Amino acid sequence: DAGVIQSPRHEVTEMGQEVTLRCKLISGHNSLFWYRQTMMRGLELLIYFNNNVPIDDSGMPEDRFSAKMPNASFSTLKIQPSEPRDSAVYFCASTRAGGTDTQYFGPGTRLTVL
Amino acid sequence: KNQVEQSPQSLIILEGKNCTLQCNYTVSPFSNLRWYKQDTGRGPVSLTIMTFSENTKSNGRYTATLDADTKQSSLHITASQLSDSASYICVVSPTSGGSYIPTFGRGTSLIVHP
Repeated sequence: DAGVIQSPRHEVTEMGQEVTLRCKLISGHNSLFWYRQTMMRGLELLIYFNNNVPIDDSGMPEDRFSAKMPNASFSTLKIQPSEPRDSAVYFCASTRAGGTDTQYFGPGTRLTVL
Repeated sequence: KNQVEQSPQSLIILEGKNCTLQCNYTVSPFSNLRWYKQDTGRGPVSLTIMTFSENTKSNGRYTATLDADTKQSSLHITASQLSDSASYICVVSPTSGGSYIPTFGRGTSLIVHP
């Protein structure tokens, strides 16, 4: 199994531009989590999907952030417009059945907004 | 508010020595507690998972303990190796009939010197 796949691995963009991060779940997994990690705040949960349905998006910082799961194996996290304070490493993680299952993390996308 | 506090924030030890990392939490009701290892530039990887009825769990040289009464957990690393240098993150999950949101600690940064 290839594990959770994220792309791109690194993204550098200018303030105001749209950024789209992508995540492919492990085959057979049906829950997806998007996280943001910074030195100051550690890991923060942004949004959680179960069976393609957003269950909790209370961690999404503001309306500039949106996430979708167009199918059972793929998700996108979009930031529009991006700001320098969005600079962070963004991880997605998947589990077989949400809840108490172990989360398998992707390698992350390092985003730098200039 | 659910919180997870980890100590120490950082730790430096010599190769071959043992060390213990601490995690205190206020998450309630409690479902499970996980310890993750995060190498620099990578996503977190699960080391152990314990439910409230378990008080110890081992994974090679890693041993996690849990005291659900005092809401404390520890991760003991035996005979440390250079490859143990990483951030160790404690994650506590509540029980819930619906949404499931884990609470992450800020992590302990461990450096093992030769």
